[in-house]
Formats: sequence, C-alpha cells, structure tokens
Amino acid sequence: DIQVTQSPSSLSASVGDRVTITCRTSESIANYLNWYQQKPGKAPRLLIITASTLQSGVPSRFSGRGSGTDFTLTISSLQPEDFATYYCQQTYRTPPVTFGGGTKVEIK
Amino acid sequence: QVRLVQSGAEVKKPGASVKVSCKASGDSLTGYHLHWVRQAPGQGLEWLGFINPHSGGTNYALHFQGRVTMTWDTSLSTAYMGLESLTSDDTAVYFCAREKSGTYGEDYFDYWGQGTLVTVSS
Repeated sequence: DIQVTQSPSSLSASVGDRVTITCRTSESIANYLNWYQQKPGKAPRLLIITASTLQSGVPSRFSGRGSGTDFTLTISSLQPEDFATYYCQQTYRTPPVTFGGGTKVEIK
Repeated sequence: QVRLVQSGAEVKKPGASVKVSCKASGDSLTGYHLHWVRQAPGQGLEWLGFINPHSGGTNYALHFQGRVTMTWDTSLSTAYMGLESLTSDDTAVYFCAREKSGTYGEDYFDYWGQGTLVTVSS
C-alpha cells in the first residue's frame, strides 16, 4: 500500500498569512494526488485534483504543486473561511485509497 | 449534479451490526464507483471500500474484509454499507462518496454524503 504522510498535523496562522501544507508519499505517484477541505461536522470538499488542478468554485488563493512523492497545498492569503482541516489523497495505485493524516489550520 | 443523502444516526451495542444507506439523486451512478470512508472522533479519514453500482462488484479494505458488506439497490438508487461485530473502535461518522474518473485515469471523490454517525456503546 502507498503510505501518505502529511505535515504539519496542525498549524496556527492569522488572516492574510501564506500557509503551506506538505504531503509525501511512500513511492512515486506521478501527479495522482488530490486535496480536500473539511470543516467541523461537514463532509470533505474537493479542492484540487491531479496535484494542481483547482476545482470549479475554489478560490484562486488555493494552489497545489508537486509530482512524484512530494506535494504542497498553499493558501496565498488565509481568509476566515479557510480555517479547516485539509487532507491529501493518493489515487495512483488503488485499492486501497489512502489519505494523509490531515492538517488542522487554526486561528492564531 | 449528484446528491447523496445518507440515513440517520445509529446507536448500537458491541457485537451488533449496522447498515447505513446512501441514496443517490440527480445524475445516475452508473459508470461510477461509490466509496465508503469513515472518520472516528477527532481522527482522519479511513477508506472502507467501494461498490460498482453497474456490476455490483465490490472491493474492501483488508482491515474490514469479512466484516463489511456493500450492496446497491438499483430500483432505489441506494447504496448500503453493513458492518458486523461492532466494537467501540467502530464509533465514527461514515461517509459515502462518488468516485469520478478523469480522461487520464485520475480518480477523485467529487460528491459526498452528509455523513452518518454510528455510536457503539454498551
């Protein structure tokens, strides 16, 4: 199984800050890496597919980069509605589908 | 556009079984896989498996094999996830999610149900 390691597990930031979350996989997955945002009590929301393709309706302050084993999700200027938990997911070799452990973005 | 609506919260005793439903409306799920993912309190996302509504074929995570059963009722456009021999470790919110496959084999979960809380407690 492909392992997915996300870091940090949590971070504190202020509105307007630039935030970067990292996802690393145990083997190369090309660009088959997706990002989701989850708010408390809600289902995950798809943000980015194939490492860097923003889904319709996702603000352009979100961006994704990477290929192979190392990936990043960046929020260029954190907004109040961005405080949430973010998960990466690999779909290069499935099953199983595997997710990162999550990164909780909290208000400083 | 697809809407996935799940059944309500359940409380079960250890050793019991639970069956959660996920009703699809809008676009047909034919041609897609329907996955189940769970989230224990304060924890991350854990994949349980998927069903192909067209063929009825399933694939379960190793950790749940022998204990989970996923089915699809075409007449009701509803997927079901059954889990047996429940323990307190199965207390979680269970989500269904549609898998979309792109042109180049990229897969992602584009629509999710609202989640069903299953509490296992004596």
